[in-house]
Amino acid sequence: QQQVKQSPQSLIVQKGGISIINCAYENTAFDYFPWYQQFPGKGPALLIAIRPDVSEKKEGRFTISFNKSAKQFSLHIMDSQPGDSATYFCAAGKETSGSRLTFGEGTQLTVNP
Amino acid sequence: DTEVTQTPKHLVMGMTNKKSLKCEQHMGHRAMYWYKQKAKKPPELMFVYSYEKLSINESVPSRFSPECPNSSLLNLHLHALQPEDSALYLCASSPAWTGYNEQFFGPGTRLTVL
Repeated sequence: QQQVKQSPQSLIVQKGGISIINCAYENTAFDYFPWYQQFPGKGPALLIAIRPDVSEKKEGRFTISFNKSAKQFSLHIMDSQPGDSATYFCAAGKETSGSRLTFGEGTQLTVNP
Repeated sequence: DTEVTQTPKHLVMGMTNKKSLKCEQHMGHRAMYWYKQKAKKPPELMFVYSYEKLSINESVPSRFSPECPNSSLLNLHLHALQPEDSALYLCASSPAWTGYNEQFFGPGTRLTVL
């Protein structure tokens, strides 16, 4: 029940295309869903986060879509750029568990020029 | 200053060595974390300090010993490690442990145990 399933494991997109990464969770107590971006040799960095009271959140080219009934959320990267090539982790947390996060397995995104 | 720094960047040690990893933040954050990350895997939480007190120990073997000397500094003491402990060790901090808080990660220490 604590798992977060992420797909795909790897994704190759052409420059200018849309990258879509999906995550699904089981535990309905989760109420915080961040996405972290990690470049090689660096630690993860928060990209965007959403709470279940909204169905979508957009920051620049990055959008989270959230479907509470399906217990799914996804990251859309519009106009993907080679500089977006990184590993993306979705995560889920619940306020009652402090800042503990359950991470998905990660998606390695490659954007070809 | 919105940075978490970690030293050293790389560490190679034998199974009988004792070494320490260091983490520092000057953002006034009161929660600090140690994570272990294996290649192509997500970070795994090891320890959480909240207000300089150990709040979470995720059943980590005693060969890993954390220490929080003050609100800005976090250490991880290593002793008698095994080759399977080779990994990227990440430090993170957040404003607090409770509530919704962004975690700020350092660049990590790449540890190799021979």
